[in-house]
Amino acid sequence: AQTVTQSQPEMSVQEAETVTLSCTYDTSESDYYLFWYKQPPSRQMILVIRQEAYKQQNATENRFSVNFQKAAKSFSLKISDSQLGDAAMYFCAYGPYGGATNKLIFGTGTLLAVQP
Amino acid sequence: GAGVSQTPSNKVTEKGKYVELRCDPISGHTALYWYRQSLGQGPEFLIYFQGTGAADDSGLPNDRFFAVRPEGSVSTLKIQRTERGDSAVYLCASSLTGGDNQPQHFGDGTRLSIL
Repeated sequence: AQTVTQSQPEMSVQEAETVTLSCTYDTSESDYYLFWYKQPPSRQMILVIRQEAYKQQNATENRFSVNFQKAAKSFSLKISDSQLGDAAMYFCAYGPYGGATNKLIFGTGTLLAVQP
Repeated sequence: GAGVSQTPSNKVTEKGKYVELRCDPISGHTALYWYRQSLGQGPEFLIYFQGTGAADDSGLPNDRFFAVRPEGSVSTLKIQRTERGDSAVYLCASSLTGGDNQPQHFGDGTRLSIL
């Protein structure tokens, strides 16, 4: 069974600085998807970034980028030029490739605080 | 366009009661998912619909939980004989199709509290 581990329950960053959130996962599959979701207090999960495991190039979305290390099963999220609006719970998630189900498996989350 | 809509936003009920939670997906999305998020945890998968049929219900914890999607649009999650351990936020998500792990768009969730 696949698992996702986020070892940092809380992180803090100064506004305009850079922060990296860690995520490791376990799977025996060679193809899969990885995601970072943001959950503000409003509860709605918002997709931040998506990575296909068969692509070697790290995904980037504006100030958000990932460091995907397939052999190490590591998928960290880097937030550059942090803004107050980035404060939220961040979840790393694993999704299967192909097959009959598209369920996501989430980690336990990292609560990010942004200090002005 | 409108996002995923979940009603009610909050539901408080007594142990042993029956509850229904509703999810209205993004128009045109054929895939629909239910997740449960307990306090301090990440969402846990419950069930996945492709159209009207449940393609994967492996996450339903027991037979008190049931979900339907009769017309391939709105879905209802039903919980019988509720227990205090059922208290959680129930999240619904939809995606355009179920293939290629299309991005899932989430609603704001229903916070269920069992007294």
